[in-house]
Amino acid sequence: AQKVTQAQTEISVVEKEDVTLDCVYETRDTTYYLFWYKQPPSGELVFLIRRNSFDEQNEISGRYSWNFQKSTSSFNFTITASQVVDSAVYFCALSEVIQGAQKLVFGQGTRLTINP
Amino acid sequence: GAVVSQHPSWVICKSGTSVKIECRSLDFQATTMFWYRQFPKQSLMLMATSNEGSKATYEQGVEKDKFLINHASLTLSTLTVTSAHPEDSSFYICSVMTPRGASQPQHFGDGTRLSIL
Repeated sequence: AQKVTQAQTEISVVEKEDVTLDCVYETRDTTYYLFWYKQPPSGELVFLIRRNSFDEQNEISGRYSWNFQKSTSSFNFTITASQVVDSAVYFCALSEVIQGAQKLVFGQGTRLTINP
Repeated sequence: GAVVSQHPSWVICKSGTSVKIECRSLDFQATTMFWYRQFPKQSLMLMATSNEGSKATYEQGVEKDKFLINHASLTLSTLTVTSAHPEDSSFYICSVMTPRGASQPQHFGDGTRLSIL
């Protein structure tokens, strides 16, 4: 079965610090997708990124960057120069296709608090 | 703008009441929708996959008679929590499976906070 592990339950840092959120996954599929979502206190899920299993290039989007390493089954997320507005719960997820439906398996989430 | 509309956003009701939550796909026809439940400080757990015109597929451990799902049209799926009890209090989120090739596999609703007194 597919599994996503986010070992860091909670992280608290001071504003402007860099912070990395870890994600380790397990899958038997050769083709899969990995995702990161942000869930602010209001509850809605905000899509951040999708990564194809064949594309190991790291990606940067503003203060956000992602490091995908297939060899270690990891897909880590780094926020540079963190801001208070980054405070949220962040979920890593893995997709699996079951009976034609692309389902998402979520990690436990990491609650990130950025203190002013 | 929103792709998925979920209503209501929050509801408080007495124990024993049945509560219906609606999930509407606004931008495209959705043959498949998903229902998740999220307890405080926990992850999203898939409850069921809702398929238009057929019975929903429930995940292991989810009572189908307790959580009734109806997906009668290509834009609307409903989840009814029947005879709700305090332990059913949770955050319920629906999502819509996107067309092939989309950057996101699912678009999520904003969720419904259900509190049973």
